[in-house]
Amino acid sequence: EDKVVQSPLSLVVHEGDTVTLNCSYEVTNFRSLLWYKQEKKAPTFLFMLTSSGIEKKSGRLSSILDKKELFSILNITATQTGDSAIYLCAALKTSYDKVIFGPGTSLSVIP
Amino acid sequence: EPEVTQTPSHQVTQMGQEVILRCVPISNHLYFYWYRQILGQKVEFLVSFYNNEISEKSEIFDDQFSVERPDGSNFTLKIRSTKLEDSAMYFCASRLDRAKNIQYFGAGTRLSVL
Repeated sequence: EDKVVQSPLSLVVHEGDTVTLNCSYEVTNFRSLLWYKQEKKAPTFLFMLTSSGIEKKSGRLSSILDKKELFSILNITATQTGDSAIYLCAALKTSYDKVIFGPGTSLSVIP
Repeated sequence: EPEVTQTPSHQVTQMGQEVILRCVPISNHLYFYWYRQILGQKVEFLVSFYNNEISEKSEIFDDQFSVERPDGSNFTLKIRSTKLEDSAMYFCASRLDRAKNIQYFGAGTRLSVL
């Protein structure tokens, strides 16, 4: 059965801290890994990673995929209160249709 | 910026009633999806739709569920006879084409079955 696991499930940090969110997957016919940020409602897209070892960056956020170890991390440096959200990791299969989500990591950044 | 819109934002219904959740995907997108998220649980895939037919569905998407694209803009999810356990947030998503793998999500409809 396809599975996406995230850790930790919940994290509380102070503003300015750096955090690393983990995602591992066991998915047949894996194509890409997606990271989404879910605040109040809709997940909003952050990154898509298809190739191993290539870091993607957007401001203070960065992410990398290891297809050998079936693992991805999402780093957030100099965290701000606005980074408080649930971060969802999801695996996209080669069928392009099915996205399998992990349970999410709930990040709380306190002043 | 184009976005996926969903209506209503909150739907309250009695058990056994039919509900229709509506979505307007981004206008030039070709692939459409429904997901649900039960409170406190993970986002679960329900169904994908392309070229006016279902391309994949999960085990959750049983005979009580159906999807339709009745015109060129709307994409609907119908639940024929709602159960208490159908209470969840339902997200619609759309994707541009086969080459672009990013799915863009709507704000969701919270369905409460009483």
